[in-house]
Amino acid sequence: LAKTTQPISMDSYEGQEVNITCSHNNIATNDYITWYQQFPSQGPRFIIQGYKTKVTNEVASLFIPADRKSSTLSLPRVSLSDTAVYYCLVGDLGSGNTGKLIFGQGTTLQVKP
Amino acid sequence: DAGVTQSPTHLIKTRGQHVTLRCSPISGHKSVSWYQQVLGQGPQFIFQYYEKEERGRGNFPDRFSARQFPNYSSELNVNALLLGDSALYLCASSYARDRGAEQYFGPGTRLTVT
Repeated sequence: LAKTTQPISMDSYEGQEVNITCSHNNIATNDYITWYQQFPSQGPRFIIQGYKTKVTNEVASLFIPADRKSSTLSLPRVSLSDTAVYYCLVGDLGSGNTGKLIFGQGTTLQVKP
Repeated sequence: DAGVTQSPTHLIKTRGQHVTLRCSPISGHKSVSWYQQVLGQGPQFIFQYYEKEERGRGNFPDRFSARQFPNYSSELNVNALLLGDSALYLCASSYARDRGAEQYFGPGTRLTVT
């Protein structure tokens, strides 16, 4: 099982770039890396997903080194509304393996004015 | 289009009772997954259903069961409730069960067991 490890918390200021790194040493060949954002009492919201190298969308970038044993979520120019818990998810929905989808413990990002 | 919907939003049960939680996926999505999120922790995978068949099961006791209906909606059933079952139960849908499929989460059902 691909267990993930993230920092428990991070602080930043408005307008800064934030990088959150997730370690997944036991990632399997078929596993994708997905990041979610969650606000209190809401379901997680998909941010970005990748398999290798770099992926960029309108809200974030995801950097994955060649060995795929870690990944870094990059949030450009954060605002107060980016204060949330960020989860790194490694898994293969199609495998059918028991417990294959594992969320990390999450990183609580606090953005200050 | 409506997102993933779940009902009820909140529920209070007593130990030993049974509970049924419901989920309607996004239109066109055929895969539904259930997660349990205890306060202060990340979501834990319970089940995945695709085309009405169980495709994945997490490390949960047999008191937890689920099913998916022909319209792709789903129910999660929990028997003999324990205090430790108090949590936010999340449903997520995706179009396919292929690897890397993006999941869309509903708002969750907050279950409190007293």
